[in-house]
Amino acid sequence: GQQLNQSPQSMFIQEGEDVSMNCTSSSIFNTWLWYKQEPGEGPVLLIALYKAGELTSNGRLTAQFGITRKDSFLNISASIPSDVGIYFCAGQGNMRGTYKYIFGTGTRLKVLA
Amino acid sequence: GAGVSQSPSNKVTEKGKDVELRCDPISGHTALYWYRQSLGQGLEFLIYFQGNSAPDKSGLPSDRFSAERTGGSVSTLTIQRTQQEDSAVYLCASSFPGREETQYFGPGTRLLVL
Repeated sequence: GQQLNQSPQSMFIQEGEDVSMNCTSSSIFNTWLWYKQEPGEGPVLLIALYKAGELTSNGRLTAQFGITRKDSFLNISASIPSDVGIYFCAGQGNMRGTYKYIFGTGTRLKVLA
Repeated sequence: GAGVSQSPSNKVTEKGKDVELRCDPISGHTALYWYRQSLGQGLEFLIYFQGNSAPDKSGLPSDRFSAERTGGSVSTLTIQRTQQEDSAVYLCASSFPGREETQYFGPGTRLLVL
């Protein structure tokens, strides 16, 4: 199925470092979501973005809805070991219905203590 | 229960056999989704149920896949004549109507077709 381009695919960082990942699409989206998935679990919603240019924070996490509506980024500040996991972006565009989200391929984050 | 539950958590089957995967959504959530997550991939939408409306089956990859939702609650995803490429994690999620971005996911069923 159709998927978003998410980068980087994986990253190793030192504890305390800031992390940045992004998602791009060839089509315009009306909503961008960021999820985190830990091993053996389902994804958990971190941040939802509804307007172009919107910047939203959730603790150490900050996400932005790109002005072009074709991209979004997620920043994690001062990473800690429990930030380990797979981060997925998801977008919803001008398609019939409001429930069908397209998911990125994920960014696998590993934090070295 | 407090969250979305899925069973079995793991399923190993032989090629050609049928499998049934079960999802119990959060009580009161009328929207229910099934996704497939292949190794190293994102989530692939399969099917969506909303209340008594006809389900959106547009994501089902073939006619070997089907899903039902009985009584507006529990859902079963059935894969007939399983193939090795069906091996994946099958995730179920539920949400309140009108809040589809806030999907609560179950832990998934890991299916391995030998």
